[in-house]
Amino acid sequence: DQQVKQNSPSLSVQEGRISILNCDYTNSMFDYFLWYKKYPAEGPTFLISISSIKDKNEDGRFTVFLNKSAKHLSLHIVPSQPGDSAVYFCAASASMSGGGADGLTFGKGTHLIIQP
Amino acid sequence: NAGVTQTPKFQVLKTGQSMTLQCAQDMNHNSMYWYRQDPGMGLRLIYYSASEGTTDKGEVPNGYNVSRLNKREFSLRLESAAPSQTSVYFCASSSRGGRQGVSGNTIYFGEGSWLTVV
Repeated sequence: DQQVKQNSPSLSVQEGRISILNCDYTNSMFDYFLWYKKYPAEGPTFLISISSIKDKNEDGRFTVFLNKSAKHLSLHIVPSQPGDSAVYFCAASASMSGGGADGLTFGKGTHLIIQP
Repeated sequence: NAGVTQTPKFQVLKTGQSMTLQCAQDMNHNSMYWYRQDPGMGLRLIYYSASEGTTDKGEVPNGYNVSRLNKREFSLRLESAAPSQTSVYFCASSSRGGRQGVSGNTIYFGEGSWLTVV
């Protein structure tokens, strides 16, 4: 049972336009959400995160929006650039007491292709 | 900047063989992790080590053992490889355990190790 869902395996966007990547979650205990970017043959790299106490977090061209009532978050990239072509993973975590890994639950990823 | 280094990058094993994936980080991080990624799937946590001398199971620990050799190194061992363990394995580290993505606690991943069990 997937707790973090990225329903679009791939997305194609023209250079300069807005890319919108979507993510849905089912576990209401999740209260922290992250996006990772992954190029082929490389490990994922952290992109941006958002706490459940916020509904928006912005970092340069990247903005993450969180709709808690809908259990939905999205990553907006504006404007899209060729270097943004990669696989984007949505991930979520739940608060834990007493330390521990607080391991992330990942979605399957969306392959973003920026077309010139 | 080495960051997180994994070896080997590629390995083919026969069913029943054993092998160890090595991981080292040079960022003085306390916490280290092993994830696997299967085709069309997200990453899943196998084992983690919150600090030197401690290890704990993640979501999919069966068939694996780990050793936190020292603060820098965290190895993953397959004692008797099975075709179901064919995957890409990622080692990762962060300054501390607990909430990922909080300022100062970003998780850094290695480049991955491609393992095929035939």
